[in-house]
Amino acid sequence: IAGITQAPTSQILAAGRRMTLRCTQDMRHNAMYWYRQDLGLGLRLIHYSNTAGTTGKGEVPDGYSVSRANTDDFPLTLASAVPSQTSVYFCASSYRCSGNTIYFGEGSWLTVV
Amino acid sequence: GESVGLHLPTLSVQEGDNSIINCAYSNSASDYFIWYKQESGKGPQFIIDIRSNMDKRQGQRVTVLLNKTVKHLSLQIAATQPGDSAVYFCADASSGGSYIPTFGRGTSLIVHP
Repeated sequence: IAGITQAPTSQILAAGRRMTLRCTQDMRHNAMYWYRQDLGLGLRLIHYSNTAGTTGKGEVPDGYSVSRANTDDFPLTLASAVPSQTSVYFCASSYRCSGNTIYFGEGSWLTVV
Repeated sequence: GESVGLHLPTLSVQEGDNSIINCAYSNSASDYFIWYKQESGKGPQFIIDIRSNMDKRQGQRVTVLLNKTVKHLSLQIAATQPGDSAVYFCADASSGGSYIPTFGRGTSLIVHP
């Protein structure tokens, strides 16, 4: 079982460009999440999805969008990247949105120049 | 949502010593907590969890203690090894409603040989 797969592993992106970070899980988890991790700020929730077809905003949603067309995939899109979006992005999933263990991918390192 | 905090940003110990990492939470209704280990360049990995109907839970070389009276939990690592060097997070992944998991900022554990 692979768990959670994120792609790309790392990317350097020019400001203003559009970028989609991919996330796939094979655990049939209902809930999925996107976090960004910045030094000194810990993990901050960007968007989440309780189940396929639904999404919700987290703590820092501005500049990001997500979709959940099916159970396995939860892509994160930066419509027009800005340098402040330079960060490490972690996709995560759990069986349900609350009261369940959350599993993380290995991260996508994004640098916006 | 309620925040989860860690008391110390860095903990240095000698190999073979026991380590204790602390975490405070503010929501008295919180009922499920998770400890994660994050090594440099990797995603957070599940270590151990505890639900509010327990005060203590033990794993391999790790013990989590939960004190609901003062809203505090701790992670104890026995016979700390250099491979334990990492950042440790506590997470409040409580059940109920649309409660979204939140994470502390992390404590960096440094183990000196």
